[in-house]
Amino acid sequence: GEDVEQSLFLSVREGDSSVINCTYTDSSSTYLYWYKQEPGAGLQLLTYIFSNMDMKQDQRLTVLLNKKDKHLSLRIADTQTGDSAIYFCAESSDSGGGADGLTFGKGTHLIIQP
Amino acid sequence: DARVTQTPRDKVTEMGQEVTMRCQPILGHNTVFWYRQTMMQGLELLAYFRNRAPLDDSGMPKDRFSAEMPDATLATLKIQPSEPRDSAVYFCASGDRGSTEAFFGQGTRLTVV
Repeated sequence: GEDVEQSLFLSVREGDSSVINCTYTDSSSTYLYWYKQEPGAGLQLLTYIFSNMDMKQDQRLTVLLNKKDKHLSLRIADTQTGDSAIYFCAESSDSGGGADGLTFGKGTHLIIQP
Repeated sequence: DARVTQTPRDKVTEMGQEVTMRCQPILGHNTVFWYRQTMMQGLELLAYFRNRAPLDDSGMPKDRFSAEMPDATLATLKIQPSEPRDSAVYFCASGDRGSTEAFFGQGTRLTVV
């Protein structure tokens, strides 16, 4: 079945860039997502990318997709204390009526050092 | 401010009791998802509905879990009887046809003792 893998922890200094990596196995993935979860809260969609794109930029966030290697990354520029959270990579396919259920990675805990 | 609303936010119950979790999707959304989050398994898709019809519930233990959409404004997830291993945070999410985004509720934290 589908599988999404991420490292569990990433520690960066405030002001540096954070790069969170993800690999997936489902070659039929149509959409790839990054969600953010703060303590005690639900998941907030940060950004997504279609599988026919290789890069998307949105303010401090840059998503890179290497479809050949099934590798997705999220770069957060100028990391701030408010970026401290769990970041989930997710993928879904589309059966024709909109996105199907998401398959999530286990999440990467981003720890910000002062 | 449109949002997915889940009730209750927290539920503590004894093993063997019935638990019902409710979700109000965003008005107009036609797809509703139920996810379960645990430390060990992460986020797992339990079931989802499109236009109130169940599309996939293969992630849900059928013997004790049931999911329904009595109407377009309410989705329910029921566990009967509950067991300690069901302790988790249960998230509901909704999405619109043709949309790539699923909006998540705040979750229901279930503790079965």
